Amino acid sequence: DQQVKQNSPSLSVQEGRISILNCDYTNSMFDYFLWYKKYPAEGPTFLISISSIKDKNEDGRFTVFLNKSAKHLSLHIVPSQPGDSAVYFCAASDGNSGYALNFGKGTSLLVTP
Amino acid sequence: DAGITQSPRHKVTETGTPVTLRCHQTENHRYMYWYRQDPGHGLRLIHYSYGVKDTDKGEVSDGYSVSRSKTEDFLLTLESATSSQTSVYFCAISEGASGGYNEQFFGPGTRLTVL
Repeated sequence: DQQVKQNSPSLSVQEGRISILNCDYTNSMFDYFLWYKKYPAEGPTFLISISSIKDKNEDGRFTVFLNKSAKHLSLHIVPSQPGDSAVYFCAASDGNSGYALNFGKGTSLLVTP
Repeated sequence: DAGITQSPRHKVTETGTPVTLRCHQTENHRYMYWYRQDPGHGLRLIHYSYGVKDTDKGEVSDGYSVSRSKTEDFLLTLESATSSQTSVYFCAISEGASGGYNEQFFGPGTRLTVL
């Protein structure tokens, strides 16, 4: 059963606007969350992470928000750029299996000029 | 970029043949992982390693075995490939410093087709 869910398979945003990608999880034992970006024919690239003791983490144009009570996290990209067009994966870990990651199915972001 | 390579990058094989995929790292990271990516499933953990000769199963380990005889190499073997093992395989590494949680760095992937 999918413990990390990204319910929007795709998202289209205009250049310069904000992109908001959402992720929900069901396992209350998850305490570390990450976002990865993936281009075709490449491996996922780490973007940003957040620990469950925080509710926000910011790195340049990328901000991740965590709402533990709702079991929800989101990735904000401001401003969006055409080079941000990629598939974004939400991932979470509960420390089990060698801190392995549980991934969502991904959201394909298209940033149009 | 973390030094992770995977070989081969592409492979086509026939049902019933053994296949070995190799992951090589130059970062001296403790943890290594094999994931597979399939449409509609995201990435799923096959096996992982927490040190030389220390490995364990992941979510979708049936039909796969692994070995890690050196820190830098993590091998994934399909003993008898089946069409359901057609997938893109990603290796990942993680430092595993104190506190446990670290980002994982991924290799470029191996596209395997089993006919």
